[in-house]
Amino acid sequence: DTTVKQNPRYKLARVGKPVNLICSQTMNHDTMYWYQKKPNQAPKLLLFYYDKILNREADTFEKFQSSRPNNSFCSLYIGSAGLEYSAMYLCASSTGQGATETLYFGSGTRLTVL
Amino acid sequence: GQQVQQSPASLVLQEGENAELQCNFSTSLNSMQWFYQRPGGSLVSLFYNPSGTKHSGRLTSTTVIKERRSSLHISSSQTTDSGTYLCALERSTGNYKYVFGAGTRLKVIA
Repeated sequence: DTTVKQNPRYKLARVGKPVNLICSQTMNHDTMYWYQKKPNQAPKLLLFYYDKILNREADTFEKFQSSRPNNSFCSLYIGSAGLEYSAMYLCASSTGQGATETLYFGSGTRLTVL
Repeated sequence: GQQVQQSPASLVLQEGENAELQCNFSTSLNSMQWFYQRPGGSLVSLFYNPSGTKHSGRLTSTTVIKERRSSLHISSSQTTDSGTYLCALERSTGNYKYVFGAGTRLKVIA
């Protein structure tokens, strides 16, 4: 099974409320990524886990948290959603920290913040 | 500035026509990939192509590292080729991670 599963497919949140998005993969991949994609923009890397090590991008460091309790599961947590968080959130996984293998993407969670 | 520039931003083709999609990088790279996304679908990897030319059916990817560019050629386009094509590069410095372009939105009409 080479799929990355994301739940939910659609998420509605209120401004100021927390949001938790979930991703899972059963390919035993070392690395799991979270990207944010807005219409007509490039997917933007928010953070990634290599094994148990979390790497967060400098410009999103304070805005997003994540946890990876086991190899298969990774969550993305927004403590207080703002309107600017409305976007598609894409989870991906790959083997290794480098790019010797392809990225496998989930179908995404479309978050709308009202 | 943007590290990955894709062109054209959008393209409309008549079925049977060929297309050449471009990806230009402003930074050195370890590798790069081309992805395809059907409307409402997941991103699917088409090519992992750090250098040289690769073929897959009607698709050909060519990466020239020295010139910091990669292209995706679609021959004899079909309506099912419609969607968004994204390129992504893995930088050779800093954290190992993929940086994406904004994509080319392709529409093939019958």
